[in-house]
Amino acid sequence: SAVISQKPSRDICQRGTSLTIQCQVDSQVTMMFWYRQQPGQSLTLIATANQGSEATYESGFVIDKFPISRPNLTFSTLTVSNMSPEDSSIYLCSVEDPGSGYTFGSGTRLTVV
Amino acid sequence: GEDVEQSLFLSVREGDSSVINCTYTDSSSTYLYWYKQEPGAGLQLLTYIFSNMDMKQDQRLTVLLNKKDKHLSLRIADTQTGDSAIYFCAESSNRGSSNTGKLIFGQGTTLQVKP
Repeated sequence: SAVISQKPSRDICQRGTSLTIQCQVDSQVTMMFWYRQQPGQSLTLIATANQGSEATYESGFVIDKFPISRPNLTFSTLTVSNMSPEDSSIYLCSVEDPGSGYTFGSGTRLTVV
Repeated sequence: GEDVEQSLFLSVREGDSSVINCTYTDSSSTYLYWYKQEPGAGLQLLTYIFSNMDMKQDQRLTVLLNKKDKHLSLRIADTQTGDSAIYFCAESSNRGSSNTGKLIFGQGTTLQVKP
């Protein structure tokens, strides 16, 4: 199955700043998915990232707040912009693994102070 | 709309069986998944079941699917303290003829295993 390297694993950031999270996959994948897990909550899809096109955002998420890059078939970044304490969450990337479901990165635990 | 629901908490004794239940609403879901999340960790795929199956067994794990009632369960036999974690069920949201699409997650069931 695919192996995803996600970094940073955690960060503490000042409000008003931005953080870019990276995911590197060890194989080429068509779609990459970015999820948010707020404290004590389930996972919610932020957006789907295709290589060579703009990401598709879910209701409640906008590109200005969560810009995504997908420069090639093995890499994607998610930026959390102009952060506030409400952005404190775990952010996870995911890819579809044909025949074995969806694989997730280890997550980025973000705390905004 | 799409919705997945789970009970929030389950406590069992070591060696007992654990059964975690899940209901979903999207009858067009092709695959249903069970993920495990240990404290401070990401999500680990435990198992998944195709929607035309009733049951799938993988070592200590048994998944039962009642498609008519849109009910999914995960049974863990001989539960160990290392099984203590949050368990999420998830359904895939179909797009066209491909299974590629977003996952809809339940709220997660916290499994506590007492020695």
